[in-house]
Amino acid sequence: EPEVTQTPSHQVTQMGQEVILRCVPISNHLYFYWYRQILGQKVEFLVSFYNNEISEKSEIFDDQFSVERPDGSNFTLKIRSTKLEDSAMYFCASRQRGSYNEQFFGPGTRLTVL
Amino acid sequence: DAKTTQPPSMDCAEGRAANLPCNHSTISGNEYVYWYRQIHSQGPQYIIHGLKNNETNEMASLIITEDRKSSTLILPHATLRDTAVYYCIVYQRGSARQLTFGSGTQLTVLP
Repeated sequence: EPEVTQTPSHQVTQMGQEVILRCVPISNHLYFYWYRQILGQKVEFLVSFYNNEISEKSEIFDDQFSVERPDGSNFTLKIRSTKLEDSAMYFCASRQRGSYNEQFFGPGTRLTVL
Repeated sequence: DAKTTQPPSMDCAEGRAANLPCNHSTISGNEYVYWYRQIHSQGPQYIIHGLKNNETNEMASLIITEDRKSSTLILPHATLRDTAVYYCIVYQRGSARQLTFGSGTQLTVLP
């Protein structure tokens, strides 16, 4: 069964460093999403992406964040200068075009900012 | 999207049916009820969705009241692996918008 994959599973970085979180969505999906979950809190939406551009973004997704689909398979989230409060699980999700709304989530990347 | 209300936690004995309620009294006519679950900080997993008729798939059944203001997710024979946080989300089908997760219900299946 096709699945969304994410790398790395755990990333440790120093405050102020840049990190890139990588996702490989399901191959025939056209809508892509990033969510995050701070430990013990709700899953929060960050950004959605379709047709090579951002569709929507939350207020969390400020100028420190960017997304890119550099090739036909990868979807990346970049945090330019990490802060302690960026420590969280980051989930990538994708869905097909059409009436089926099910978003398929990856296993997540645990980001720890020291 | 309409707001949903779920109990924060529930227990269920292994092998018994788990019935998870959700209130969505402000649901509008074109909004569906979706259920996802999250097992111990893994990525959320889709379970089932419905509009107004009861739905069943290999994972669960969804019962939606006639006025659509509430629904119940039923796991017919809960196992220890069903221990998870279950999220009820009201969502406009066909929309590419993001999912809005609440706090969900922590279901603990007891041996």
